[in-house]
Amino acid sequence: GESVGLHLPTLSVQEGDNSIINCAYSNSASDYFIWYKQESGKGPQFIIDIRSNMDKRQGQRVTVLLNKTVKHLSLQIAATQPGDSAVYFCAETRPTGFQKLVFGTGTRLLVSP
Amino acid sequence: SAVISQKPSRDICQRGTSLTIQCQVDSQVTMMFWYRQQPGQSLTLIATANQGSEATYESGFVIDKFPISRPNLTFSTLTVSNMSPEDSSIYLCSVRVGSTLNTEAFFGQGTRLTVV
Repeated sequence: GESVGLHLPTLSVQEGDNSIINCAYSNSASDYFIWYKQESGKGPQFIIDIRSNMDKRQGQRVTVLLNKTVKHLSLQIAATQPGDSAVYFCAETRPTGFQKLVFGTGTRLLVSP
Repeated sequence: SAVISQKPSRDICQRGTSLTIQCQVDSQVTMMFWYRQQPGQSLTLIATANQGSEATYESGFVIDKFPISRPNLTFSTLTVSNMSPEDSSIYLCSVRVGSTLNTEAFFGQGTRLTVV
């Protein structure tokens, strides 16, 4: 079947390496951000979130960094595994308009064994 | 958390016909969202559906093309009307749960639509 992410930017890493996926967001008023992972044939799956009053948040093997000055978000994955291969999207919530999520363009992560 | 079921999971349709996609949630939610994901691209919000009121459509999407129903707090449908090949996409239902602002959104597995 068709895969999501055929035309998206691709990051290729070796298993065990650390991965950094970047995202630029558009609205300086956005106050909540989420990283999603999407595997082929599935809906987006929540990874980690961060609020605008923070600049860093850590989860299991993942860290999200937020730089509000330049409107930049990054997702760091430690010790990347083949199961991490997927398309990753950042999403922002703007403080108005039904709390809707606006998605970034996405990055395809390929992990080689 | 929320578990979302979408039907159908995929379909191949003739141009000019319409398809209704169903979204069922395992808990009551105020807001449900419908997204479109064109091949190789990100998710684009079509509309926000609140129970008991008309859906709110994003720029570029209109009710005549994408009518939405929201009969109760656990169910919604999106219809793709008068389909053309350009409507071939994955359509995703999403909900946000919790009484506070800024909570994660949960997604269904999507409906993969191919229009021929």
